[in-house]
Parts: sequence; structure tokens; C-alpha cells
Amino acid sequence: AQKITQTQPGMFVQEKEAVTLDCTYDTSDQSYGLFWYKQPSSGEMIFLIYQGSYDEQNATEGRYSLNFQKARKSANLVISASQLGDSAMYFCAMREVYGGSQGNLIFGKGTKLSVKP
Amino acid sequence: DGGITQSPKYLFRKEGQNVTLSCEQNLNHDAMYWYRQDPGQGLRLIYYSQIVNDFQKGDIAEGYSVSREKKESFPLTVTSAQKNPTAFYLCASSMVAGGNQPQHFGDGTRLSIL
Repeated sequence: AQKITQTQPGMFVQEKEAVTLDCTYDTSDQSYGLFWYKQPSSGEMIFLIYQGSYDEQNATEGRYSLNFQKARKSANLVISASQLGDSAMYFCAMREVYGGSQGNLIFGKGTKLSVKP
Repeated sequence: DGGITQSPKYLFRKEGQNVTLSCEQNLNHDAMYWYRQDPGQGLRLIYYSQIVNDFQKGDIAEGYSVSREKKESFPLTVTSAQKNPTAFYLCASSMVAGGNQPQHFGDGTRLSIL
């Protein structure tokens, strides 16, 4: 079974609008962390935002926020006021503290976001 | 500026040849990682090292080897045993392994078969 599922292979959003990128995860750990990364066409991976499983507040970093619903095991990324430079691949990743991944990151397959002018 | 430097940006391998991808970091991070990315896919872990002179296999280590003789350096060798090496390779580091510290990535090396 996939540990991280990103169900949207591609998304389009109009410039200046908000967009939500979906991520669901599967773990039996009580302690884990969720990360979102952006990968522009140039290839580097850019860290965007982190949410810990015990964090009570949803994480926010500038225009990025994480809609964390623990009971549903979802950690959706919300980008507000989209810009042309937001066009990229976006990856959700999870780190389990005690799971079989030895504390390493497990990545989803990504969502390609295209921002239209 | 602190960061992770991968070289070369593009690399070509002939049949039966070993090639080595360089990864250097000046972030003073203990942990380093190598990932492979195939088109349209997420990242898969090849090897990781939590501390100097120690490393562990990741999910797809077959056909690859690494060394960690210095804290700053974690080179990856793609051996001739790796039958399908064409991919994008990313090196990353983090302050320590695990925890809530994000991994920081280099710009990647694109490896192709001649």
C-alpha cells in the first residue's frame, strides 16, 4: 500500500487565485511529520512547510498553509494568491518516527501545478 | 552561502562503466542522503548516512555504492551492475537524521546512457 498518495497528477489555477493540492498518508505511528516540497523545472527540491503529528495548529509559511486533518490522514497544501512562479511539481512527504522507513522521508508521486495568466 | 553542491549537472555513462556523482555540503549537517527520481515519479531513497564513516542502504541500493569519509562529502557511485541508471539523482542533507528538520537538496545530476 502506498504510504503517501497524491491523487492529482496535474492541476491548473488562475493567477491570483488559491489552490489546494491533496495529500493523504498511511501510518500506524502516533508520531510522524509531514513535509511539502516544490520542484521547479530546473530540478532542485525546495522545502515549503512542515506539520508535526502533535501540532495542534495548522502550519503556515507566507502564502503556504497546510490543512491538516489527522483523523482523515490528510495534509493538503493550500497556496493563496497564486503566482506564475508557483508553476512546478509539488511533493508531499512523510517521516515516521518508529515505522519501517527508519525515520527517512517517504515521498508521494507529486502534483504538477500550472498557473495560468 | 551555505548549501549543497552536486556535480556534474549532466553525466553520460558507457556500458560497463562505473561513474561517480559528487555531493558536497557546507551546512555542517550530520545526515546525508541520495535519491533517484524517474520521470513522473517521486523520489526513492538509495543510500543514507547519519554520521561520518557510517551509511545504510535505502529502498533501491542495488547497483550503487557510497562512502562517507568526510562530514561534508557523500559521493555516489553508479556501478555497471545498475542496469537502468538513466535518472535524475538528488543529494540531500539534514542537521540530524529524523526529527522535524527538513532535508535540504542540491540541484541534481542527470545521468544518461550513451
